[in-house]
Amino acid sequence: GAVVSQHPSRVICKSGTSVKIECRSLDFQATTMFWYRQFPKQSLMLMATSNEGSKATYEQGVEKDKFLINHASLTLSTLTVTSAHPEDSSFYICSAMGEVSTDTQYFGPGTRLTVL
Amino acid sequence: GQSLEQPSEVTAVEGAIVQINCTYQTSGFYGLSWYQQHDGGAPTFLSYNALDGLEETGRFSSFLSRSDSYGYLLLQELQMKDSASYFCAVRDWAPTGGFKTIFGAGTRLFVKA
Repeated sequence: GAVVSQHPSRVICKSGTSVKIECRSLDFQATTMFWYRQFPKQSLMLMATSNEGSKATYEQGVEKDKFLINHASLTLSTLTVTSAHPEDSSFYICSAMGEVSTDTQYFGPGTRLTVL
Repeated sequence: GQSLEQPSEVTAVEGAIVQINCTYQTSGFYGLSWYQQHDGGAPTFLSYNALDGLEETGRFSSFLSRSDSYGYLLLQELQMKDSASYFCAVRDWAPTGGFKTIFGAGTRLFVKA
């Protein structure tokens, strides 16, 4: 149980385009979802926390208008990177926390974004 | 500020025991977690300590001392597949409400035959 999926796993796009990444909790209801960014051989940097039905809470330094987060249901959250630039190239990982166990975050497999 | 300190690299031999330490300095504290991440993959949850003491799960154990702001992950009977990065993470309360997790920089564990 407690499986989180992400789609797509890899995406390559041109500079200036927008990219949407989906995060789904497959077998539990995720009251809270987190979006992280990770550079090679570095730690996870929390970008934002989203609760179903409410606006996401962004960490300091993360542009809200650039990284749009929507948590439309208890099983789906989306991250849209708007007007992507090469410096946005990174590994984006989501995680979900459910009602049953608030001690554990379950991570998705990540999305590798490359902006040309 | 908020910070978590853990060693950048640890090397050990197969079958041995290794301990990865983590000290933290955060504005709030609601628990210490440990995650494993293989290259190119996503983190997987290993353990969570909210109270002082030792938690054991198979070959992995995790310890917490809140008074010392310190914890460690203990890996026993090391296997080659344990070669990975290990992150400690502190759960803190976000100013706007709800929990958030702050990750350490990670410790790369190399297991040698």
